[in-house]
Amino acid sequence: GQQLNQSPQSMFIQEGEDVSMNCTSSSIFNTWLWYKQEPGEGPVLLIALYKAGELTSNGRLTAQFGITRKDSFLNISASIPSDVGIYFCAGRGSGGSNYKLTFGKGTLLTVNP
Amino acid sequence: GAVVSQHPSRVICKSGTSVKIECRSLDFQATTMFWYRQFPKQSLMLMATSNEGSKATYEQGVEKDKFLINHASLTLSTLTVTSAHPEDSSFYICSASDPRQVQETQYFGPGTRLLVL
Repeated sequence: GQQLNQSPQSMFIQEGEDVSMNCTSSSIFNTWLWYKQEPGEGPVLLIALYKAGELTSNGRLTAQFGITRKDSFLNISASIPSDVGIYFCAGRGSGGSNYKLTFGKGTLLTVNP
Repeated sequence: GAVVSQHPSRVICKSGTSVKIECRSLDFQATTMFWYRQFPKQSLMLMATSNEGSKATYEQGVEKDKFLINHASLTLSTLTVTSAHPEDSSFYICSASDPRQVQETQYFGPGTRLLVL
């Protein structure tokens, strides 16, 4: 099946620093999604990317859909303590909008005040 | 964004009993819902895809007779863990595709923590 490699596995940063994480795939995806999950909660959608090369921002978050369609990155600028959580990338291949997502293993972000 | 709810949020049961978890799309009709399981410090693992009015499609290794899925309406899907055992203890999360968007995106419920004693 499709495999997603997400890195880094974890990050410990100081408040105010910028953060970057990425996902790479062994196969092509048509959609890349980035989610954030806090303890005991379901994932919350942060950014959705639908076209190769697309660069999308949501406040301090910026994500890009790689031109090869096999990778995506998420940047968080000027981190704050509430950014703490696990960030997951997810890719969806061909087969229509109801096709299943493949998730990365997550990046655990810790922000020290 | 779209709102998806789950009930209950937490359940503790004895080994051998069955547990039903509900997933509802509150402000949209979802033709497709998905059920995931997440163990501590791990990623989400898809269990099954649920389409309204038809049988669910289970992922490899997921027992359909143990994890019964019923998608009775466009806003409700249920997952029943039958004869639950301690190894079934996990965080169960559903998601639903919002058809109102140009590109349907999956929105997740808040999850159900199951503990089987």
